Amino acid sequence: DTGVSQNPRHKITKRGQNVTFRCDPISEHNRLYWYRQTLGQGPEFLTYFQNEAQLEKSRLLSDRFSAERPKGSFSTLEIQRTEQGDSAMYLCASSLTGRVEQYFGPGTRLTVT
Amino acid sequence: GIQVEQSPPDLILQEGANSTLRCNFSDSVNNLQWFHQNPWGQLINLFYIPSGTKQNGRLSATTVATERYSLLYISSSQTTDSGVYFCAVELAAGNKLTFGGGTRVLVKP
Repeated sequence: DTGVSQNPRHKITKRGQNVTFRCDPISEHNRLYWYRQTLGQGPEFLTYFQNEAQLEKSRLLSDRFSAERPKGSFSTLEIQRTEQGDSAMYLCASSLTGRVEQYFGPGTRLTVT
Repeated sequence: GIQVEQSPPDLILQEGANSTLRCNFSDSVNNLQWFHQNPWGQLINLFYIPSGTKQNGRLSATTVATERYSLLYISSSQTTDSGVYFCAVELAAGNKLTFGGGTRVLVKP
């Protein structure tokens, strides 16, 4: 059990550019979640997958955001045409069916200049 | 949606002191977790405690589901306990966690 991993850990981009983040869940965890955390706040839910199916999306996930989990293993979160308001920590978590406890990765800190 | 409120928002402790953090939630929950977020942003699982009492070293937690609150106790605090403590709840199995605003703890040597 190597834990949830996320790459990159830090990303600085200019407004208008596209960025993509990757999350590798704990092996055999079939549920994967994305959250966003802004400075001084608690994390907020964005979306979650069971295997490769995206089952729920938050209203926070505008049409500039897209998440995929093509083979039910790792997931990617893409933000198109980044805005300064997208600057945040993007957190990934995973859990096992039948076990509700979620385990979080170290996050990707995005700064949009 | 469900509301999660944590108190106090900030806590300054002298090393060795004990403290209690509180989490109130507005609806029945299937899951309640306590996390410690370290200065690098990593969320570390402390307890999965939808009801009852658990202890892990100097930390313990109690959830009274019928009264919709949970308490996290830190005893004999150490400087490494500094950081932000989050309570998060889940309404249905396998769904999203809703986080409180956190309690920022600073333990001074």
